[in-house]
Amino acid sequence: AQSVTQPDIHITVSEGASLELRCNYSYGATPYLFWYVQSPGQGLQLLLKYFSGDTLVQGIKGFEAEFKRSQSSFNLRKPSVHWSDAAEYFCAVGRETSGSRLTFGEGTQLTVNP
Amino acid sequence: KAGVTQTPRYLIKTRGQQVTLSCSPISGHRSVSWYQQTPGQGLQFLFEYFSETQRNKGNFPGRFSGRQFSNSRSEMNVSTLELGDSALYLCASSPFGDSNQPQHFGDGTRLSIL
Repeated sequence: AQSVTQPDIHITVSEGASLELRCNYSYGATPYLFWYVQSPGQGLQLLLKYFSGDTLVQGIKGFEAEFKRSQSSFNLRKPSVHWSDAAEYFCAVGRETSGSRLTFGEGTQLTVNP
Repeated sequence: KAGVTQTPRYLIKTRGQQVTLSCSPISGHRSVSWYQQTPGQGLQFLFEYFSETQRNKGNFPGRFSGRQFSNSRSEMNVSTLELGDSALYLCASSPFGDSNQPQHFGDGTRLSIL
């Protein structure tokens, strides 16, 4: 069965600093990978996705992620964090035979200090 | 284009009761998936409906059921409520439920069991 691990439960960064959120997946074939963000009291918003091709993908709000097959990782990065980026971030994996079903990581709570 | 709409936003029930949650997908989307989000278990897939048929099911007891109507709107029902059913229930839609199509999430229904 596929699984997703987000090693960092909580990360605190200063506004303007760079950010990297880690995500590791377990799946035999090439997975479909997603990053979502959730603000308090709201649903999930898609930041970016990877299906195939270029391993560096660009998303909304200045986020990017890099797929590294050798490390089974799909880490999310942002060069300069804004206070409005404070939220919970979820990595998710899907696979071709599972339709729309996603397996989510535990989430990483991001706090941004002024 | 309107997003995914979930009603009601908040619900309070007591143990043993049953509850029905509603989800209206984005116009034109035919796949609707449901997820349960709790602090302890995170985001877990409940089931997916496509063209009024359940196409995929997660590992939840039979007390959790759903259905989809011809206009793609979906309802989820939980019978004989337990304290552990307290959660945020999220609905997501996509055009055809293919694994390489991003899910669009609603803001969820917060269910509290007393």
